[in-house]
Amino acid sequence: GIQVEQSPPDLILQEGANSTLRCNFSDSVNNLQWFHQNPWGQLINLFYIPSGTKQNGRLSATTVATERYSLLYISSSQTTDSGVYFCAGGGFKTIFGAGTRLFVKA
Amino acid sequence: EAGVTQSPTHLIKTRGQQATLRCSPISGHTSVYWYQQALGLGLQFLLWYDEGEERNRGNFPPRFSGRQFPNYSSELNVNALELEDSALYLCASSLLGDEQFFGPGTRLTVL
Repeated sequence: GIQVEQSPPDLILQEGANSTLRCNFSDSVNNLQWFHQNPWGQLINLFYIPSGTKQNGRLSATTVATERYSLLYISSSQTTDSGVYFCAGGGFKTIFGAGTRLFVKA
Repeated sequence: EAGVTQSPTHLIKTRGQQATLRCSPISGHTSVYWYQQALGLGLQFLLWYDEGEERNRGNFPPRFSGRQFPNYSSELNVNALELEDSALYLCASSLLGDEQFFGPGTRLTVL
C-alpha cells in the first residue's frame, strides 16, 4: 500500500518564525489534503491540493504530483499555530502521515 | 451549512460490550469515512461507505463493522470491545473522491 512520510516529526519555533513541513508519498495519490489537529482532536481543513500551489493567509501549500511530495509553508508563526499537522491522500483508502507536532513559543 | 456531526461525544464501555457510534455527513455528501486515532498516534483508516455500500475497509478485525443509511448517515459498530479499542473515532464526509471534512469525533474509553 501507499506509504506517507512526514517531516520533521517535531518542530519548535519562536513566534514570528517561518517553517516548511514536508509530505512524501511512495506512490502517486489524488485528493491530497493538509489538516491541522487542534488540542481537542478536531481536524481543521487547511488545503485540498492534488497539485499546484495554493495560499490562504499566512499558510501556503505546494504539491508536485509527478515527484510525489507536498510542502506546507507557515509564515510569521503564531502560538495558535501550535498543534499537529497531517497530510493525507490516497485512492480507495485514505492514508495519513504520522504528523508533524508543532509548538510555537511566545 | 451544518458540518459533519458525530454522537455521542464520549462513550465509556467495559471489555466485551458493544459500542455504536453515529455520524451525519454534510448535506449533499454521499461518502462517509471512519478513522481510528489511538492516543498520541496518527489516524488509521477504518471504513469507507458511499451510496449505501461499503467501498473499502482498513486492516481491522471483523468486529469493526458499520453501515450507511439511505439518508447517508452512518453507524460504526464495535463488538466484543477490547482495551486497545480505546481511541478517538473520527468520521469524515465528502462527495465521491473529493475533499474530506471531519466531525469532532467520539472518544471511546474501554474499561
